[in-house]
Amino acid sequence: QSALTQPPSVSGSPGQSVTISCTGTSSDVGNYNRVSWYQQPPGTAPKLIIYEVSNRPSGVPDRFSGSKSGNTASLTISGLQAEDEADYYCTSYTSSSTYVFGTGTKVTVL
Amino acid sequence: EVNMVESGGGLVPPGGSLRLSCAASGFTFSTYWMHWVRQAPGEGLVWVSRIKTDGTSTDYADSVKGRFTISRDNAKNTLYLQMNSLRADDTAVYYCTRSLRWYFDLWGRGTLVTVSS
Repeated sequence: QSALTQPPSVSGSPGQSVTISCTGTSSDVGNYNRVSWYQQPPGTAPKLIIYEVSNRPSGVPDRFSGSKSGNTASLTISGLQAEDEADYYCTSYTSSSTYVFGTGTKVTVL
Repeated sequence: EVNMVESGGGLVPPGGSLRLSCAASGFTFSTYWMHWVRQAPGEGLVWVSRIKTDGTSTDYADSVKGRFTISRDNAKNTLYLQMNSLRADDTAVYYCTRSLRWYFDLWGRGTLVTVSS
């Protein structure tokens, strides 16, 4: 199972919006609304920020939003803040009854 | 407090074995699927394995199938990962995480496994 494809890095100034793409196949992202996103600041464990494509857990700011079109899911951070600087990973359930993570994207706040 | 704590990591030579544990507290352990996810130094997250609520069903990534065994003891609120025939590319921080549906909503802090002679 190959990793989902994410851009290695994205950056933006405070207040701007950035979008991270997550491209899979018809066996994972394209076949299920079971895509979730995780934020991982350096040296810490991952934290769930989006589940089932576009749902935010309690406590996650509404500047984080998710969507999906075909085999590609996306995470958008609106109104970028310094505290959003971290690595971000998508994941999807697959038709093999496994999970696959994305390659990860480093978000830099300029 | 809802929490999961991994233990059992350490230095092991290639071909060796190690058993990781994950102690859960503050929630009804037996109602969650449990998973192991690993992260090699400086690399991304990789899903390793999962086990059903009652332990009757398991799944594995191809890279560990036949070498790793996931298990759980619901009476002790503990998840395990038995790792055999370890290789250098198994070196990673191993996280336990839980799922009620198709996402991981709680993570432990991880335990480091280093495979080296």
